Amino acid sequence: SQQGEEDPQALSIQEGENATMNCSYKTSINNLQWYRQNSGRGLVHLILIRSNEREKHSGRLRVTLDTSKKSSSLLITASRAADTASYFCSHTFLNRDDKIIFGKGTRLHILP
Amino acid sequence: GAGVSQSPSNKVTEKGKDVELRCDPISGHTALYWYRQSLGQGLEFLIYFQGNSAPDKSGLPSDRFSAERTGGSVSTLTIQRTQQEDSAVYLCASTEGVGGYSPLHFGNGTRLTVT
Repeated sequence: SQQGEEDPQALSIQEGENATMNCSYKTSINNLQWYRQNSGRGLVHLILIRSNEREKHSGRLRVTLDTSKKSSSLLITASRAADTASYFCSHTFLNRDDKIIFGKGTRLHILP
Repeated sequence: GAGVSQSPSNKVTEKGKDVELRCDPISGHTALYWYRQSLGQGLEFLIYFQGNSAPDKSGLPSDRFSAERTGGSVSTLTIQRTQQEDSAVYLCASTEGVGGYSPLHFGNGTRLTVT
């Protein structure tokens, strides 16, 4: 399968703590994106990181990309109850900008 | 502005019946994607359109599945002779540029239940 993999599959942390989710993929990529999905809703785009970038920030989000290890991580700092959701990484393939593949996601639960 | 709209939001059908799922992308978005999401699972790529053309249909699970897009806008995903394993949420997304470099904008999905 060309699908990426997120880990852990599920994560529960206390509000205020940091949450780290990882994503691995199998082939060379052009870029990688992270999305959030609240229960019963569609996915919402969070951040895009290109293959020549190593780190990117957006508010409380920090994304890293290690192309040598074919992996990415998403860090959410100072978590809030509203961060409870599933998080997915997606990527396109080198020389294929159009086909977008998603991983299986990490279900994040923030405990009050 | 309006986002991606999918209809119906829920569909219950009997095994063996045909169903049509509709997606209205954001106006002006040239690329449109269909995904399938089973309960608690990730997104399974089905098909994508660039304009009215579908360069990659490799994700369609079987020949019972087909999709079309007309006028570079609305798309329909048709499942013929539905089976219970077709039960899932079908998500549509659109993007203004090449999908890999532009964020996908998702609809809220159609939840299909085959009884």
